[in-house]
Amino acid sequence: DTAVSQTPKYLVTQMGNDKSIKCEQNLGHDTMYWYKQDSKKFLKIMFSYNNKELIINETVPNRFSPKSPDKAHLNLHINSLELGDSAVYFCASSQVEKTGNTEAFFGQGTRLTVV
Amino acid sequence: LAKTTQPISMDSYEGQEVNITCSHNNIATNDYITWYQQFPSQGPRFIIQGYKTKVKNEVASLFIPADRKSSTLSLPRVSLSDTAVYYCLVVPLGSSNTGKLIFGQGTTLQVKP
Repeated sequence: DTAVSQTPKYLVTQMGNDKSIKCEQNLGHDTMYWYKQDSKKFLKIMFSYNNKELIINETVPNRFSPKSPDKAHLNLHINSLELGDSAVYFCASSQVEKTGNTEAFFGQGTRLTVV
Repeated sequence: LAKTTQPISMDSYEGQEVNITCSHNNIATNDYITWYQQFPSQGPRFIIQGYKTKVKNEVASLFIPADRKSSTLSLPRVSLSDTAVYYCLVVPLGSSNTGKLIFGQGTTLQVKP
């Protein structure tokens, strides 16, 4: 069983469209994250949710809206897509708050290409 | 949040031991040192974490001096499949930033035959 799974793996869409990326974890973790890795390979945190509550919201355009229906899911919705949104988006989860273990589990990534 | 500095790239040969050093001069008392590995087209994968002295697991060893201002990841007898980007992170615990992973540029390790 995949610990953290994201769908879709690839997403090609036109500028101005709205799209969603889904993420699910079956590890029972309380905390989930979204990271963006751009073409220069820099990995940057976007959001963090703990038990469905937003904990970290980095300087991300408000076109990006995370949604956590339950603690096992953290979806990312993007409105009015722009060329600069093209990147690989990674979902991750951890249980660091309760365990003190800094290990985070990452999904396989979603490669978003905006044309 | 503590910033980390590590070499951009390293080359090695199969069978050698590789040591990657990371500096984190402004590490805080509640910070842990963590290393991740990333292969192309995959998400980062946790390797090891430590607070002080030495930590060892089946994959790597982590050496942390008493002042904790640096750390060294040691990979014994690397193989071609160890070619990857290695990230050193300082992860805060016990604050609003608990667990927040701030990735730097990492060290691209190239293992040659």
